[in-house]
Amino acid sequence: DAKTTQPNSMESNEEEPVHLPCNHSTISGTDYIHWYRQLPSQGPEYVIHGLTSNVNNRMASLAIAEDRKSSTLILHRATLRDAAVYYCILRGEVGTSGSRLTFGEGTQLTVNP
Amino acid sequence: GAVVSQHPSRVICKSGTSVKIECRSLDFQATTMFWYRQFPKQSLMLMATSNEGSKATYEQGVEKDKFLINHASLTLSTLTVTSAHPEDSSFYICSAAYLRDRGDIQYFGAGTRLSVL
Repeated sequence: DAKTTQPNSMESNEEEPVHLPCNHSTISGTDYIHWYRQLPSQGPEYVIHGLTSNVNNRMASLAIAEDRKSSTLILHRATLRDAAVYYCILRGEVGTSGSRLTFGEGTQLTVNP
Repeated sequence: GAVVSQHPSRVICKSGTSVKIECRSLDFQATTMFWYRQFPKQSLMLMATSNEGSKATYEQGVEKDKFLINHASLTLSTLTVTSAHPEDSSFYICSAAYLRDRGDIQYFGAGTRLSVL
């Protein structure tokens, strides 16, 4: 499975933007970039995903580098409820082992009031 | 987003008993369900992948006779921890997906915290 690298932890202040980086230098041309987050004592929840173009949804934006070797999850205005572990995961072809979501250590985001 | 219900949310049992955990996709038919385990301060570890009507595929190091998975329908999968021991105490999380391509989303249950005394 292609590997991702994220900082162990980041801090932000409430109502400020947060940029969470992810490196995936061994990404294959067909891998999608998925982001999930896990709040304390809960199952993970989907945040956003993309392939090549930048993506926006109601939760966040995903900026993907032109060479696809890195991406950045952007929370436009952090709230206390955004404090969670954020996972950047590469998903490969359905029906192969690469289609599984393999969780790394993720980034623990702390949001200060 | 879609809803995945996991039950029970918490279970405490004596060593040697078996525990069954249910995972239901409430508003979509899931081609594939996944079972994860998470120890404190650690990331999720995939235990097995199950497709409706077929045997589960277990990850290396996961005992299939210990962790029985049944995926009898497109909306229900169960994980049975047989003869549970204290080292099986963990947070078990299921997820469900209708997998068609690499962009498909997995929806997760809220997790089951198992404590074996």
